Amino acid sequence: DGGITQSPKYLFRKEGQNVTLSCEQNLNHDAMYWYRQDPGQGLRLIYYSQIVNDFQKGDIAEGYSVSREKKESFPLTVTSAQKNPTAFYLCASSRRNTEAFFGQGTRLTVV
Amino acid sequence: GQQVMQIPQYQHVQEGEDFTTYCNSSTTLSNIQWYKQRPGGHPVFLIQLVKSGEVKKQKRLTFQFGEAKKNSSLHITATQTTDVGTYFCAGPGNTNAGKSTFGDGTTLTVKP
Repeated sequence: DGGITQSPKYLFRKEGQNVTLSCEQNLNHDAMYWYRQDPGQGLRLIYYSQIVNDFQKGDIAEGYSVSREKKESFPLTVTSAQKNPTAFYLCASSRRNTEAFFGQGTRLTVV
Repeated sequence: GQQVMQIPQYQHVQEGEDFTTYCNSSTTLSNIQWYKQRPGGHPVFLIQLVKSGEVKKQKRLTFQFGEAKKNSSLHITATQTTDVGTYFCAGPGNTNAGKSTFGDGTTLTVKP
């Protein structure tokens, strides 16, 4: 069953903590992306990766970090430097310049 | 960088009325994609347009790509409550980067 899987679905973080969001795909896509979505807002690009061991900052990379050690995996760490991390985080993958397939998303809340 | 602007931001219609959302770019787009996000869900790909002046239909949905490939529209005929959600357009980013640039979306609500 091919697709893109994000976990967990809900995540609670205490202030000052780092948390890591998981994103795995078995679609054999080269490109993977992380977006942030705030209530009633569009998608803002955090980081993207076109190939293993390489990634680029998006529009709002501050306070976030990623790694791409395997083609299938693109985890996102929300660091304590991100001052307003409460949001809906979406991971996506695609072949170059084709449609993106999104995961179910992770809702992160700071408590 | 490339941007796509989408209007309106919100649209409230009575069930059975038509709905249209517009997407505009300052630069020529090699293609444009449309996605739908249901409330509480994730964006799902609807269609990709590539050719100048292209028109594609999916049941009650009609997608158009402008002659200059700088604008696009999505038109829904006779809306139903199942059409509620946010509709996004996305243009391709820099070819080397391969990332898409999403519009801010149009959120459609339908009154039964």
